Amino acid sequence: SQQGEEDPQALSIQEGENATMNCSYKTSINNLQWYRQNSGRGLVHLILIRSNEREKHSGRLRVTLDTSKKSSSLLITASRAADTASYFCATDSGGSNYKLTFGKGTLLTVNP
Amino acid sequence: SQTIHQWPATLVQPVGSPLSLECTVEGTSNPNLYWYRQAAGRGLQLLFYSVGIGQISSEVPQNLSASRPQDRQFILSSKKLLLSDSGFYLCAWGRPNGYTFGSGTRLTVV
Repeated sequence: SQQGEEDPQALSIQEGENATMNCSYKTSINNLQWYRQNSGRGLVHLILIRSNEREKHSGRLRVTLDTSKKSSSLLITASRAADTASYFCATDSGGSNYKLTFGKGTLLTVNP
Repeated sequence: SQTIHQWPATLVQPVGSPLSLECTVEGTSNPNLYWYRQAAGRGLQLLFYSVGIGQISSEVPQNLSASRPQDRQFILSSKKLLLSDSGFYLCAWGRPNGYTFGSGTRLTVV
């Protein structure tokens, strides 16, 4: 079952602009993670935010988490053509099996 | 170093044929391992996960099975493939700070 739902499904921007992707989920979580997938490749872990955190930064990435609204956002600042990829949020509901439930993803296209 | 290997990269199989996809992890012991399937343009669906040798949890009843014959080896199998088994299969190694994914297998059942 899909826990996270990303919004929008697709986003097209110009190089240098900021890209914002949103994720909503349904049940309580231990942490929320964002992954990137280039076409036809495996996913790459970008950032993890724990349920007791509200904001986290990593380079040009900024993630926010609002557990009261069960939502998260991923902001990519000063986007580059190389940022073109699909971005997925994934939720970890806790437990020692570290099982993640992924959303359907947002396809980001950054035009040069 | 810690790495995950998945093969083959692509596979075209006829309906009714068997399937075996292999995933191995290096540089760690007793990893949590997962098989996901990704349909075209869709998210990832968890198929199986394993927290140790011989321990398999199935998330979705279907035409597939999984086995973990060795600590760092995770195998996805089918006795008879269906057209609906086509997709992109991903193996992942899970840790508290996130997953490391293999490069994936593109399976086309014809």
